[in-house]
Amino acid sequence: NAGVTQTPKFQVLKTGQSMTLQCAQDMNHEYMSWYRQDPGMGLRLIHYSVGAGITDQGEVPNGYNVSRSTTEDFPLRLLSAAPSQTSVYFCASSTTSSGANVLTFGAGSRLTVL
Amino acid sequence: DQQVKQNSPSLSVQEGRISILNCDYTNSMFDYFLWYKKYPAEGPTFLISISSIKDKNEDGRFTVFLNKSAKHLSLHIVPSQPGDSAVYFCAASEGNQFYFGTGTSLTVIP
Repeated sequence: NAGVTQTPKFQVLKTGQSMTLQCAQDMNHEYMSWYRQDPGMGLRLIHYSVGAGITDQGEVPNGYNVSRSTTEDFPLRLLSAAPSQTSVYFCASSTTSSGANVLTFGAGSRLTVL
Repeated sequence: DQQVKQNSPSLSVQEGRISILNCDYTNSMFDYFLWYKKYPAEGPTFLISISSIKDKNEDGRFTVFLNKSAKHLSLHIVPSQPGDSAVYFCAASEGNQFYFGTGTSLTVIP
């Protein structure tokens, strides 16, 4: 059972370049989300999706784009990378039902923008 | 403005003693509170949660206490073990939005 898989694990970009961070889950979770982790800032929600075809913004959505064409995949796109986007990115999924929604996280993708 | 705060960046505890990690929040509409544990180079993993209508939840060595009037929750780990050394994140949810604290790095000294 793979859970949440993120690729790549590491990436170095130059300012202005574009890239996509991939996220896939095999648990049939409806809810998927992207977070970034920065020193002293904790984990901050970028975008989330409650199902295929539905996405919404989190706390820090600027500079990022998402789409959800399938239940399994939720890619995060950086259209024009900036040094401020240097961070560790985590994808997470959960089921939406009564009770606590427990997030299952991927291992993270470390992005450096020069 | 941070809605979930962990004011202690680090904590050191002797093996076998109690570890108490604290968390404060500002939004009274949060419906669940959760604790996650994170090892270096890994994603956070779920530890324990509590509903906003409860004041205590226990799971083995881990107990979470919620004080709604003070908007404060705490995680107690008894007895602490060296394998508990990690960063602990407090989180709160309001519907589909999750808010995380900045984390507390726990070191359990053998």
